[in-house]
Amino acid sequence: GDSVTQMEGPVTLSEEAFLTINCTYTATGYPSLFWYVQYPGEGLQLLLKATKADDKGSNKGFEATYRKETTSFHLEKGSVQVSDSAVYFCALSVSNSGNTPLVFGKGTRLSVIA
Amino acid sequence: DSGVTQTPKHLITATGQRVTLRCSPRSGDLSVYWYQQSLDQGLQFLIQYYNGEERAKGNILERFSAQQFPDLHSELNLSSLELGDSALYFCASSVTGNPTLNEKLFFGSGTQLSVL
Repeated sequence: GDSVTQMEGPVTLSEEAFLTINCTYTATGYPSLFWYVQYPGEGLQLLLKATKADDKGSNKGFEATYRKETTSFHLEKGSVQVSDSAVYFCALSVSNSGNTPLVFGKGTRLSVIA
Repeated sequence: DSGVTQTPKHLITATGQRVTLRCSPRSGDLSVYWYQQSLDQGLQFLIQYYNGEERAKGNILERFSAQQFPDLHSELNLSSLELGDSALYFCASSVTGNPTLNEKLFFGSGTQLSVL
């Protein structure tokens, strides 16, 4: 079946450090890929997405590139801030598998310290 | 604010009991999803409804059931509760619930269920 594997957390970084959160996927069809973010006490919200190979999704300084050859969609940010502390979820959706909704990874907790 | 409303925010109950979680989707959204978030399993898809009809089913236990009403709000019923059902239950909504459109899901803040 379709699945997403994320690096285990928690990840603790100092402010202005470089962030990478690894995400790889297994899909039966051609997936669209997403990163969602969950701030403390809130629901998930879409951070960025990419719908085809080599697409780069970007938002709020975060980027992720859809790599079909390595089945990966790693999240990066050049300089993190304390306000980026949250749980980050990688997810996929396979459009040719009927009505399968989003499949999420287990999430990676990021803590940024000043 | 995502526009998705979940009530209650917190629920504490005992094993063997039955509870109902409620979700009101964003205005205009026809599809509602239920997810369960626990520390060990992560975010697990339970069930999806579109305009009152069940559209997709995930890892939902037989003790759990859901429905979507004509006004599009949804309820998730959890019965014969066990300690392991303690989790954060999220509702999300989207316009059509069609994955081919790569629609964004809008999540509520969740209901934290504690089974003692």
